[in-house]
Amino acid sequence: SQQGEEDPQALSIQEGENATMNCSYKTSINNLQWYRQNSGRGLVHLILIRSNEREKHSGRLRVTLDTSKKSSSLLITASRAADTASYFCATGPSNTGKLIFGQGTTLQVKP
Amino acid sequence: DGGITQSPKYLFRKEGQNVTLSCEQNLNHDAMYWYRQDPGQGLRLIYYSQIVNDFQKGDIAEGYSVSREKKESFPLTVTSAQKNPTAFYLCASSSGRLSSYEQYFGPGTRLTVT
Repeated sequence: SQQGEEDPQALSIQEGENATMNCSYKTSINNLQWYRQNSGRGLVHLILIRSNEREKHSGRLRVTLDTSKKSSSLLITASRAADTASYFCATGPSNTGKLIFGQGTTLQVKP
Repeated sequence: DGGITQSPKYLFRKEGQNVTLSCEQNLNHDAMYWYRQDPGQGLRLIYYSQIVNDFQKGDIAEGYSVSREKKESFPLTVTSAQKNPTAFYLCASSSGRLSSYEQYFGPGTRLTVT
């Protein structure tokens, strides 16, 4: 099935450093979404990038998409302890409402 | 406040009992979803509904049932046929019926079956 796979599974950095997470998927997509989940909570939508876009910014977040390599990356600049969370990419067939989530990257930002 | 509510936050049941998890939204969204999350894992889709009185199976529907009698409500029943029901259950909704719409998530229900 169409699925995002995140890499690395876990990432630990110091406050102020940048964090990069990668997502690979298997089939053609119309868009790719990134979500964040704090421990034991629901997911929060961060950003959506369409297949005709290569890069998108939102505050300290920068998402890139390379459809030729079927991959996306999420960069968090100048990380803060509050960025500690799990980050998931999600894709889905364009003709349905289904989103398929990867297993996520767990980010720990040490103060 | 607009949003999605799930209740209860924690639920404990004995093996062999059916249990119903509540999900309500006041966002006027057409589509609603149920996911299951196991420790250290991503989300797996159980059921989804794109319109009232209609729903489709997701990837792991066996042992679960849903109903969508009202736009704002999408309850999930975990039946005794579900072999490993202990998990974190997340409900979500979206304004559109396609995967290009962002999904809004509830806070989740953690179900423990012993």
